[in-house]
Amino acid sequence: GENVEQHPSTLSVQEGDSAVIKCTYSDSASNYFPWYKQELGKRPQLIIDIRSNVGEKKDQRIAVTLNKTAKHFSLHITETQPEDSAVYFCAASNLGGNEKLTFGTGTRLTIIP
Amino acid sequence: DAGVTQSPTHLIKTRGQQVTLRCSPKSGHDTVSWYQQALGQGPQFIFQYYEEEERQRGNFPDRFSGHQFPNYSSELNVNALLLGDSALYLCASSRGGYEKLFFGSGTQLSVL
Repeated sequence: GENVEQHPSTLSVQEGDSAVIKCTYSDSASNYFPWYKQELGKRPQLIIDIRSNVGEKKDQRIAVTLNKTAKHFSLHITETQPEDSAVYFCAASNLGGNEKLTFGTGTRLTIIP
Repeated sequence: DAGVTQSPTHLIKTRGQQVTLRCSPKSGHDTVSWYQQALGQGPQFIFQYYEEEERQRGNFPDRFSGHQFPNYSSELNVNALLLGDSALYLCASSRGGYEKLFFGSGTQLSVL
């Protein structure tokens, strides 16, 4: 089955700097890659997702890039703010095929004021 | 418009007991997925229900079972509880599959 690895497990950045979180996946048939943000004690929330027919997607300060050949995708957060502090999870799915959404182990992002 | 609601929010059980967790999907959603999230880990897929049938299942034993009702709400049942079943159980709803899952706040299960 699909295996998703996520790095780093913890990340601290100065407020205003950029943060990058990377994930690799094992199943070349995976075609859907969402990112979820989970604040302490709260539910995971979808922040951005990308399908394999595009290489990059941006939504304000958040962007995701996908390299299908290398089987890795990354989350980029620019101009970080204290409210960006949370645990971020990447995930992968083969929509239309095996489908089930497999999550990475998470990255705890801390924004230092 | 209510999002995904789960009940109860917290539950304490002892080994060997049985537990039922409940989930109501977001309005307009017809598919419910259940995930187990151990402390410090990512959510692990248990199973997904669509049209009142289990459509897909993860690597969980038969002690984990579920149900979906005609109104799309769902239950997760766990029999013969083990200490290792202690976790946050998340329900997520969607329209037909795994795209744009909307999660509930979860049920924190503690097995003593």
